[in-house]
Amino acid sequence: GDSVTQMEGPVTLSEEAFLTINCTYTATGYPSLFWYVQYPGEGLQLLLKATKADDKGSNKGFEATYRKETTSFHLEKGSVQVSDSAVYFCALRRSETSYDKVIFGPGTSLSVIP
Amino acid sequence: NAGVTQTPKFQVLKTGQSMTLQCAQDMNHEYMSWYRQDPGMGLRLIHYSVGAGITDQGEVPNGYNVSRSTTEDFPLRLLSAAPSQTSVYFCASSYTWHTQDNEQFFGPGTRLTVL
Repeated sequence: GDSVTQMEGPVTLSEEAFLTINCTYTATGYPSLFWYVQYPGEGLQLLLKATKADDKGSNKGFEATYRKETTSFHLEKGSVQVSDSAVYFCALRRSETSYDKVIFGPGTSLSVIP
Repeated sequence: NAGVTQTPKFQVLKTGQSMTLQCAQDMNHEYMSWYRQDPGMGLRLIHYSVGAGITDQGEVPNGYNVSRSTTEDFPLRLLSAAPSQTSVYFCASSYTWHTQDNEQFFGPGTRLTVL
C-alpha cells in the first residue's frame, strides 16, 4: 500500500545551519506531494507542494523537489531560524475512484537553538 | 474567515463515557475529515466526508461515528471512550475531494485524555 517514510528526529540545529529532512514515498500512479508544518500548540498548515515529477515547491525559504526516479521529496532550507522550530510532515495525496487518499509521514521534530 | 474551528481544545473523559468533538468550517469546503495524531505515527484518517449527507470510513474508524448534515459542520462522536482513544484529534477540510493537489486546512486540534 501507499506509504511515506521520513526521518523522525528530533533534529537539533544551530541558527543559520543548513536543514535537510528526508522523505521517501511508495505509491502507485502519480501522487501529489506535500510538506506540512505544525508549530507548537497549533494544527498543521501547508508549507509547500509539488504535483508532478521534477516540480520544485518553495515557500518561506524552504524547498523540495519531486524526484520520481528516487521516489523522494526532501525538504531543504539554507539557513534555519529559531522560528522554524516545529514538526514537519511529509504527505502524499492520490486520487482514487471514490476519494482522495492522503498519507502522512510520522513527522520530524526540528529544534533550532540560537 | 475563521477557517476550521474545533471545540473543545482539551477534554478528559472516563472510560465508557461518550462525547462529541465539534468541527466547523466557513470556507464552503466540500471535503472534511478527522485525523488522530499519535507519537511516531503521524496522522491517521478516522472518517471523512465528500459533501453534506455523505460520509465514509478512513483507516481507523472503530469506536467513532460521524455525520454531515450541513456543509459547515462535521462532528466526531466517541461512543464509549477507551484509553486507546487518548490522542490529539484534528479536523481538516479542503475545497474539493477529487483534485489531488488540493491543500487541506487544519483546525487547532482537540487534546483528549481517557482515564
